Amino acid sequence: QSALTQPPSASGSPGQAVTISCTGTSSDIGGYNYVSWYQQHPGKAPKPMIYEVTKRPSGVPDRFSGSKSGNTASLTVSGLQAEDEADYYCSSFVDNSNYLVFGGGTKVTVL
Amino acid sequence: EVQLVESGGGLAQPGGSLRLSCAASEFSLSSHSMAWVRQAPGKGLEWVSTISPSGDNTFYADSVKGRFTISRDNSRNSLYLQVNSLRAEDTAVYYCAKIFYYYMDVWGKGTTVTVSS
Repeated sequence: QSALTQPPSASGSPGQAVTISCTGTSSDIGGYNYVSWYQQHPGKAPKPMIYEVTKRPSGVPDRFSGSKSGNTASLTVSGLQAEDEADYYCSSFVDNSNYLVFGGGTKVTVL
Repeated sequence: EVQLVESGGGLAQPGGSLRLSCAASEFSLSSHSMAWVRQAPGKGLEWVSTISPSGDNTFYADSVKGRFTISRDNSRNSLYLQVNSLRAEDTAVYYCAKIFYYYMDVWGKGTTVTVSS
């Protein structure tokens, strides 16, 4: 059971954009449009930011956007703000009994 | 406000057991698949288990298969995770989450399990 692959860190200055990649296989990201992204601040529960590759839950700013190409999904945060500094995790449905898998997480730093 | 509240965590010895609970409020658990996700200290999120709305179908991560059992009592609007044969590597914060189209749209604040002698 392999986790999805994310870069350990990413950074950008306020107002800039940062993009985080999440690479899987044809059995997860590549095979289904069930990719989601979660934001987690220290000591807090994860918060859903994107689901079904591109959709934003109610209340999530449109600065957050998702996309997918082949076996790789991406989260872009535009117009970076101080409060966007957090850990971000991708997740995907998997077509076997393992059901769901997460990426290892990316720490986003606002410079 | 839609809410999930976990309980039942604590200190357990290696080989020991705990029963984690998750109580839902302001929505009916019976209509939704539910999941447990854990996070070891300083580590990332790990999906642990999922149960269908009726409880007929359950899914487990390989790391817990045969040791953990997920269940639900829709009449009590509650979700459970029986954790047996605990190992040091099971030490983590355990979150319950409501599933909506294969993503977790509502999360609890978590309950901490520490496995140590």
